[in-house]
Amino acid sequence: QKEVEQDPGPLSVPEGAIVSLNCTYSNSAFQYFMWYRQYSRKGPELLMYTYSSGNKEDGRFTAQVDKSSKYISLFIRDSQPSDSATYLCAMSVEAGKSTFGDGTTLTVKP
Amino acid sequence: DAGITQSPRHKVTETGTPVTLRCHQTENHRYMYWYRQDPGHGLRLIHYSYGVKDTDKGEVSDGYSVSRSKTEDFLLTLESATSSQTSVYFCAISESELNYGYTFGSGTRLTVV
Repeated sequence: QKEVEQDPGPLSVPEGAIVSLNCTYSNSAFQYFMWYRQYSRKGPELLMYTYSSGNKEDGRFTAQVDKSSKYISLFIRDSQPSDSATYLCAMSVEAGKSTFGDGTTLTVKP
Repeated sequence: DAGITQSPRHKVTETGTPVTLRCHQTENHRYMYWYRQDPGHGLRLIHYSYGVKDTDKGEVSDGYSVSRSKTEDFLLTLESATSSQTSVYFCAISESELNYGYTFGSGTRLTVV
């Protein structure tokens, strides 16, 4: 079983919808949680970073971490066609050496 | 991507040949990583470096070696390329021992025929 499991998708939503992307993990030592966005044939880019449990908001994006359930989520409000990409969750125990989920591909239709 | 460059961007090579991929950064970051990305497996860590001449193995290091003789350069060598090493290779950098996330390069698409 993988340490990090991500909802595989693909996910297709209409423009303006609220999107929920989710990952579960098995290693209770993880304490750094990240979300990356990857456009086709590009490198991943960091969207959100969270340390330990709680919520973090940045514009239309909200990251949630529930360490008791070993569950993290990324919410996208008022989704736009430009949000169409693959979203990767990642987490780590300490410096570097992040473990990634396989990614969820999102399409936002105009 | 600003501050991190991978070369080459694309390469086709024959089975059994050695291949070296280069990652160059201008950010003076201490940590550098090599990942491979494959369908169904996501991003998997090959090797990483926490300073000049300081490197360690990741999850899928067999068949790969790395070197870091300068802060700005991290080289990944496939000692004898195999078809299973056909993949997209990403280099990443991070500044701190606290994991605030990576900056990734644009990737190298490697095909072994």
